[in-house]
Amino acid sequence: KAGVTQTPRYLIKTRGQQVTLSCSPISGHRSVSWYQQTPGQGLQFLFEYFSETQRNKGNFPGRFSGRQFSNSRSEMNVSTLELGDSALYLCASSRRATPLDTDTQYFGPGTRLTVL
Amino acid sequence: SQQGEEDPQALSIQEGENATMNCSYKTSINNLQWYRQNSGRGLVHLILIRSNEREKHSGRLRVTLDTSKKSSSLLITASRAADTASYFCALANAGGTSYGKLTFGQGTILTVHP
Repeated sequence: KAGVTQTPRYLIKTRGQQVTLSCSPISGHRSVSWYQQTPGQGLQFLFEYFSETQRNKGNFPGRFSGRQFSNSRSEMNVSTLELGDSALYLCASSRRATPLDTDTQYFGPGTRLTVL
Repeated sequence: SQQGEEDPQALSIQEGENATMNCSYKTSINNLQWYRQNSGRGLVHLILIRSNEREKHSGRLRVTLDTSKKSSSLLITASRAADTASYFCALANAGGTSYGKLTFGQGTILTVHP
């Protein structure tokens, strides 16, 4: 079974631009979560999508948004990029996720975003 | 804080030795997961232990969970140079708006010398 794939793997943007990152989950997985990883803040949860609906959101400004398509593929968008948005963006998929239980999450290789 | 706190922050050992990493937390959890990350790449899932479990094994890995002390430990036995990586504990918090959210600790950097 193919793993989680993320594109692109590396991205360089300048301040003020916007960026869209893509994530394809493991076949059959319907939950997709996104995380930002920086040296200073570590791994932080951005949001989670299930069946095209955002069910959970972390403490990030509205410049960070996402969506999920009917085939469970997900995209996240960051508008008006700031220097502090430079990070490794990771997506993870799981079979299910309920308030009572969060299943094993399988992570993609990440997209390394550099904002100049 | 909902975040797991890991100890030690860095661990350096020789091949063949055992490595123990600890994770403490403050909230109620449904499960606790351990992940490995090599050089800023994607995370690899190691073990998931549920709140009603006390110990789990997977190959050379042993995870314990003590919910009364709100702590977990990851033991890697007979370590190899290939085990060199950052190790993270991740909390799946109980209830509320916990959909798909894992709360990660800051990680332990393990270096295994050949």
